[in-house]
Amino acid sequence: NAGVTQTPKFQVLKTGQSMTLQCAQDMNHNSMYWYRQDPGMGLRLIYYSASEGTTDKGEVPNGYNVSRLNKREFSLRLESAAPSQTSVYFCAGGTGLAQPQHFGDGTRLSIL
Amino acid sequence: DAKTTQPNSMESNEEEPVHLPCNHSTISGTDYIHWYRQLPSQGPEYVIHGLTSNVNNRMASLAIAEDRKSSTLILHRATLRDAAVYYCIPNTGGFKTIFGAGTRLFVKA
Repeated sequence: NAGVTQTPKFQVLKTGQSMTLQCAQDMNHNSMYWYRQDPGMGLRLIYYSASEGTTDKGEVPNGYNVSRLNKREFSLRLESAAPSQTSVYFCAGGTGLAQPQHFGDGTRLSIL
Repeated sequence: DAKTTQPNSMESNEEEPVHLPCNHSTISGTDYIHWYRQLPSQGPEYVIHGLTSNVNNRMASLAIAEDRKSSTLILHRATLRDAAVYYCIPNTGGFKTIFGAGTRLFVKA
């Protein structure tokens, strides 16, 4: 059982390049989330999708776009990468309100 | 959103119990209290959650104060694998989960 799978695991970009981070879950989660975690910090919510076909902004959405392609997949896109977006990105899925989230192993993104 | 206060770090000896406190004095009556932990270089892992009553599972126990203004995560016998950052998160019933800085637990052999 794969759970929540993120690809790629590592990526290095140059400033201005674009990139899509992929996330897929096989746990039948209705809701999906994208977080970023900077060194020594807690996670911050970028965007979330409460259900298939809906997306909403989280705490730090600027510079990102998302697509809930279907129930299983939720992608995060950086249109023009900036060094401030260097971070570890985590995708998560959950069954709904007040229910626990299950996280992927993260994508480590460096922007030079 | 309810705010939480956790110690920055705690230390425990291996095979001893660990009590990780969390203050969430602004929690509302319908907020669940979730605990996650994050091992080095991994994503957060769900540990336990509860509303009013104390809760037990295979990983830990959660003791919730009667006034719900605080809770304590209890690891009954700490192992080296329990060394992680532990996050206490009141769930507001919405989708916006707020992770604070958490408590970094060090376990000594």
